[in-house]
Amino acid sequence: DAKTTQPNSMESNEEEPVHLPCNHSTISGTDYIHWYRQLPSQGPEYVIHGLTSNVNNRMASLAIAEDRKSSTLILHRATLRDAAVYYCILTPNTGNQFYFGTGTSLTVIP
Amino acid sequence: ETGVTQSPTHLIKTRGQQVTLRCSSQSGHNTVSWYQQALGQGPQFIFQYYREEENGRGNFPPRFSGLQFPNYSSELNVNALELDDSALYLCASSLEWTDYGYTFGSGTRLTVV
Repeated sequence: DAKTTQPNSMESNEEEPVHLPCNHSTISGTDYIHWYRQLPSQGPEYVIHGLTSNVNNRMASLAIAEDRKSSTLILHRATLRDAAVYYCILTPNTGNQFYFGTGTSLTVIP
Repeated sequence: ETGVTQSPTHLIKTRGQQVTLRCSSQSGHNTVSWYQQALGQGPQFIFQYYREEENGRGNFPPRFSGLQFPNYSSELNVNALELDDSALYLCASSLEWTDYGYTFGSGTRLTVV
């Protein structure tokens, strides 16, 4: 399972954009990049995923570097409800068995 | 759509005992995966079931076993409990085993004493 590296923690002010980085220098050509988040006392929640092109959905945007060795999850306007641990995960295109790391703990300051 | 339901929410067992954890998948989902999450760590993949057959297994010993039923509900069984088995056990279901959009339950907190 390919490895990802994320900062342990980040802080953001409420209503400002947040950019959560993820490095995955050993990514293979067929690995998908996924982001899940885990709010306190809950199971992880799907945020977004992509392969090569940037992706947008109602929750966030995913910006993928041209060489695919890194990606950034963008929350356009952080709210207090976005305080969570954010996980960046790689999977091959043959299934959905995820290998989570320790993630980035995001604190949102009012 | 009722989401993923896990039971019980909390459980205390003694070392050496056996435990069964239950998961009711989201309606229409035929794939279920189980994860173990120790305090302060990310979830670790235990195994996955697709249409009642095991479809992949992580690095867990055989005393961790599972079942998926025809209605796609699922059980995780752990025999000969060890203190290190204390963790949050998460169940996640997806529409198909190739679907990346997991729906996770809130987990069962198991404490082994």
